[in-house]
Amino acid sequence: KQEVTQIPAALSVPEGENLVLNCSFTDSAIYNLQWFRQDPGKGLTSLLLIQSSQREQTSGRLNASLDKSSGRSTLYIAASQPGDSATYLCAVKEGSYIPTFGRGTSLIVHP
Amino acid sequence: EAQVTQNPRYLITVTGKKLTVTCSQNMNHEYMSWYRQDPGLGLRQIYYSMNVEVTDKGDVPEGYKVSRKEKRNFPLILESPSPNQTSLYFCASSGQGANQPQHFGDGTRLSIL
Repeated sequence: KQEVTQIPAALSVPEGENLVLNCSFTDSAIYNLQWFRQDPGKGLTSLLLIQSSQREQTSGRLNASLDKSSGRSTLYIAASQPGDSATYLCAVKEGSYIPTFGRGTSLIVHP
Repeated sequence: EAQVTQNPRYLITVTGKKLTVTCSQNMNHEYMSWYRQDPGLGLRQIYYSMNVEVTDKGDVPEGYKVSRKEKRNFPLILESPSPNQTSLYFCASSGQGANQPQHFGDGTRLSIL
């Protein structure tokens, strides 16, 4: 059974820092990996989706990479801002169409 | 605006009183699903639907029912709610194909007393 782990569970950084969030998964036979952002009291907002044949995706200050063979993905946030404070979740989708989510990294960016 | 809409957003009710949480999407998506989110357990899928009249169990289906009579709607039914179903529930949808991103509703917080 697929297991998804996110490290660290929580992170507090000063504004302006570049930071990396990690996501690892145990079964590399995935269709894709998706990164989400969740604000308190809100649903999940899709940030980036990387297909299994891709190595990375970029959107603005966000860059997500995927190394299927090692079962790892990283989400890089450049020049962090207080508005980036949220919980970040990754999810992998396999053939069953049932995605497996990590438990998230809670990020606080303080001014 | 493309969106997934859940109702109600908040509900406090009592054990055994049947309730329905509605979910509607306006993106003509084939795939819809329900999740619950609990502290320490993360997001777990309850049921999903690949298209109209096609539903299947996720990881934690016990105590829940769903139906998919129309493409846009995917209600979640708790026939006899119990306190262990107190949770934050999310509906999501995506287009056809494994590599379509999921779009989530804003969530429904259910408290079963």
